Amino acid sequence: GQQLNQSPQSMFIQEGEDVSMNCTSSSIFNTWLWYKQDPGEGPVLLIALYKAGELTSNGRLTAQFGITRKDSFLNISASIPSDVGIYFCAGSNYGGSQGNLIFGKGTKLSVKP
Amino acid sequence: EPEVTQTPSHQVTQMGQEVILRCVPISNHLYFYWYRQILGQKVEFLVSFYNNEISEKSEIFDDQFSVERPDGSNFTLKIRSTKLEDSAMYFCAREDSGEQFFGPGTRLTVL
Repeated sequence: GQQLNQSPQSMFIQEGEDVSMNCTSSSIFNTWLWYKQDPGEGPVLLIALYKAGELTSNGRLTAQFGITRKDSFLNISASIPSDVGIYFCAGSNYGGSQGNLIFGKGTKLSVKP
Repeated sequence: EPEVTQTPSHQVTQMGQEVILRCVPISNHLYFYWYRQILGQKVEFLVSFYNNEISEKSEIFDDQFSVERPDGSNFTLKIRSTKLEDSAMYFCAREDSGEQFFGPGTRLTVL
C-alpha cells in the first residue's frame, strides 16, 4: 500500500524559531492534510490541501501541496511553547468512497522557552 | 463545527473478551471512519462507513472486527475476542468534503 515518509522524526527548537517538516510518498495523493496531536487526544486538523502547487496558510502555519502530488511540507513561523506536540501529515485519494487517510509517522516538536 | 464524541474514554478488558466502542456524531453525516493508534506509533485506518454500510476496510480489520450503526445515530466498533495487540487508541472520524475531524478517542487496554 501507499506509504508516507515524514521527516524529521523529532525537533528541539528555541521559542521564536521557525520550523519546517515534510512528507513524501512513492505514489500520488489528491489531498494532503496536516494534523497536530497532543498527548492522549485525537488529531486536530490544521490545514487541508486539494490542488497540486497549492500554498495555504492558517495563522503562523503554512503548508504546500507539492507539484508532483507526492509531497507536502508544513512550516511554523515564530514558534511558541503551545506548538509542542506531534505533527502528522496524511494523504488521501478523496473521492467517492476512497477517502481513508494514510498517515506519516509524525514529527515530535519540542519548544524550549 | 464539533467533531464527534466517543465513549468510553478508557476501556480495560481481559484478553478474549468482547468490547464495543461508541462514536456519537454531533450532526448528521454520512461518512465515518475508524482508526487506531498503537502507543507511540502512527494513526492507521481500519474501516470506512458510508450510508450505513462498510465502504472500505484495511488489512487490520479482520473477522474479529465489526461496525454497526444500530440506531441510526450511534456508530459502534466491536472487537469480538480481544488480543493483547489490540491495545491502542481508537479514533472515530467524520468527513466533510475531504476533511476528516477526529473524536477524542477511546483508549483500549487489553490485559
